[in-house]
Amino acid sequence: EDKVVQSPLSLVVHEGDTVTLNCSYEVTNFRSLLWYKQEKKAPTFLFMLTSSGIEKKSGRLSSILDKKELFSILNITATQTGDSAIYLCARFETSGSRLTFGEGTQLTVNP
Amino acid sequence: GAGVSQSPRYKVAKRGQDVALRCDPISGHVSLFWYQQALGQGPEFLTYFQNEAQLDKSGLPSDRFFAERPEGSVSTLKIQRTQQEDSAVYLCASSAPGLAAAGELFFGEGSRLTVL
Repeated sequence: EDKVVQSPLSLVVHEGDTVTLNCSYEVTNFRSLLWYKQEKKAPTFLFMLTSSGIEKKSGRLSSILDKKELFSILNITATQTGDSAIYLCARFETSGSRLTFGEGTQLTVNP
Repeated sequence: GAGVSQSPRYKVAKRGQDVALRCDPISGHVSLFWYQQALGQGPEFLTYFQNEAQLDKSGLPSDRFFAERPEGSVSTLKIQRTQQEDSAVYLCASSAPGLAAAGELFFGEGSRLTVL
């Protein structure tokens, strides 16, 4: 099926912990894989991944794509309470301009 | 404005009423998207405009849903004869040339529609 599957669906950690969020997909033909952070209402862009094996990094966040095994991970090190949000993975389709989103992972970071 | 602006932020409608949701994209962004996000789910694509042209409306769930962007800037999503299953947050997103081709979108805070 044409889904984007994220796991876990929810995660509760303590400040300072490291977390790994997973995103798997089944369609092999797509333009890019993207990660968004959704606090309150508006998703905000984090990373765009097009090439397999190349890590993208922004501060404590990093992400990588494995096109052979059809998954991506988002790592957050030294988590802070401000990292609490829903993290959305999305596949940017080849035809048209649509993003196909996963259900998201609800991350809660407790002090 | 600095970001994508949507109104109203909250709308409560009785079943059968028509609603109109407005989106003001970032100035200069030619690409505009509408997504529907049900509670506990990821956003689902509804439709896409490039300037005033609606290039993809394949995600609209029924013919009760209609979107327009007549002058290539502000867009309106209209839902006729609302049903309870239409209750969701409707997200608008815009993108600059080039970034739209990469999938990088700027989202508004959404309009939460509740149909009673």
